[in-house]
Amino acid sequence: AQSVAQPEDQVNVAEGNPLTVKCTYSVSGNPYLFWYVQYPNRGLQFLLKYITGDNLVKGSYGFEAEFNKSQTSFHLKKPSALVSDSALYFCAVRDRAGKSTFGDGTTLTVKP
Amino acid sequence: NAGVMQNPRHLVRRRGQEARLRCSPMKGHSHVYWYRQLPEEGLKFMVYLQKENIIDESGMPKERFSAEFPKEGPSILRIQQVVRGDSAAYFCASSPNDRGPYEQYFGPGTRLTVT
Repeated sequence: AQSVAQPEDQVNVAEGNPLTVKCTYSVSGNPYLFWYVQYPNRGLQFLLKYITGDNLVKGSYGFEAEFNKSQTSFHLKKPSALVSDSALYFCAVRDRAGKSTFGDGTTLTVKP
Repeated sequence: NAGVMQNPRHLVRRRGQEARLRCSPMKGHSHVYWYRQLPEEGLKFMVYLQKENIIDESGMPKERFSAEFPKEGPSILRIQQVVRGDSAAYFCASSPNDRGPYEQYFGPGTRLTVT
């Protein structure tokens, strides 16, 4: 069975500092990996995905994620955090059969 | 191109009543997923449907919950004889295909409150 772990319930950073939201996964075969963001009282919005190829994936709003196959990780990063980045972030894995599994989410708080 | 539509956005039901949640996928999408999000918790998969087919319902409670995605019309998640523990946000997502690296497009959710 596939699984996703987001080891931190909460991440706090100061505005302007770099941020990292961690994600590790377990899946058979080569995965598709995704990051989504959820703002209060809204549905999830797609940020970026890893399919194959370059291990560094760039996405919306200046976010990027680094795929590390040996560590089975797909950490979300941003060089300089904004207060408006404060939200709930979900990592997801999708196997080649189409089944998606989401992590429990990490609340990012960026303080001015 | 309208996104994923869900209605109602808010639904209040008394214990024992039925709740019907509707989801219209994005145009051209034939795959629908339902998720439940409890307060302060993550997103839990419930069911995955194609038109007229349930592909994976491994996340659905065994009783009182059912889902359909008919050939015409929206997908429906039905909860019979609701209990307070059913209070949650229910999200629908759609994608064009179950194969390949397609992200899911989420609706705004239906917030169910059981009184």
